[in-house]
Amino acid sequence: NAGVTQTPKFRILKIGQSMTLQCTQDMNHNYMYWYRQDPGMGLKLIYYSVGAGITDKGEVPNGYNVSRSTTEDFPLRLELAAPSQTSVYFCASSLRSFPEAFFGQGTRLTVV
Amino acid sequence: QQQVKQSPQSLIVQKGGIPIINCAYENTAFDYFPWYQQFPGKGPALLIAIRPDVSEKKEGRFTISFNKSAKQFSLHIMDSQPGDSATYFCAASRGSARQLTFGSGTQLTVLP
Repeated sequence: NAGVTQTPKFRILKIGQSMTLQCTQDMNHNYMYWYRQDPGMGLKLIYYSVGAGITDKGEVPNGYNVSRSTTEDFPLRLELAAPSQTSVYFCASSLRSFPEAFFGQGTRLTVV
Repeated sequence: QQQVKQSPQSLIVQKGGIPIINCAYENTAFDYFPWYQQFPGKGPALLIAIRPDVSEKKEGRFTISFNKSAKQFSLHIMDSQPGDSATYFCAASRGSARQLTFGSGTQLTVLP
């Protein structure tokens, strides 16, 4: 099993550009999450999903969108990149019946 | 009421020492308290977790102490090793979607 796989690992965007951060998991987990990690701030929840077709906002959703068309995939979309979105983004997944969350390796995004 | 406060921000100990990291929470609806370990360039990985009906849990050299009345919990690392040098995050979760609220992290350095 590969676990949670995120692509790309690094990306530099210009202000106003758009991009999609990809996340896929092969553990058949029901729940998936997107977090962002800023220095000294811990991880903040952006969006989460409890199953295909079901998504909901977390603590910091502004400027982002998500979709969940399959159990495996949970992409995060940035429509108009802003410098405030410079961060490390982590995707995670867990089972409905067990609360342990498994994290991907992260995507380091810089908006210039 | 969703905050989890973590201290200290950084910690340096000698090999064999017992670093202690403390966290406090506000929302009494939290029902699962994990600790995550993160190495540079990697995603967080679950280290140990506890539920509020237990006052202490040990796994190897790692121990969580939990004080429900004070709404505090802490991580102790016995016989710390240089390989334990990492950033440690406490977290708390609640609700059917098991979203995690993270502390701000503690950067631990264990000197050889």
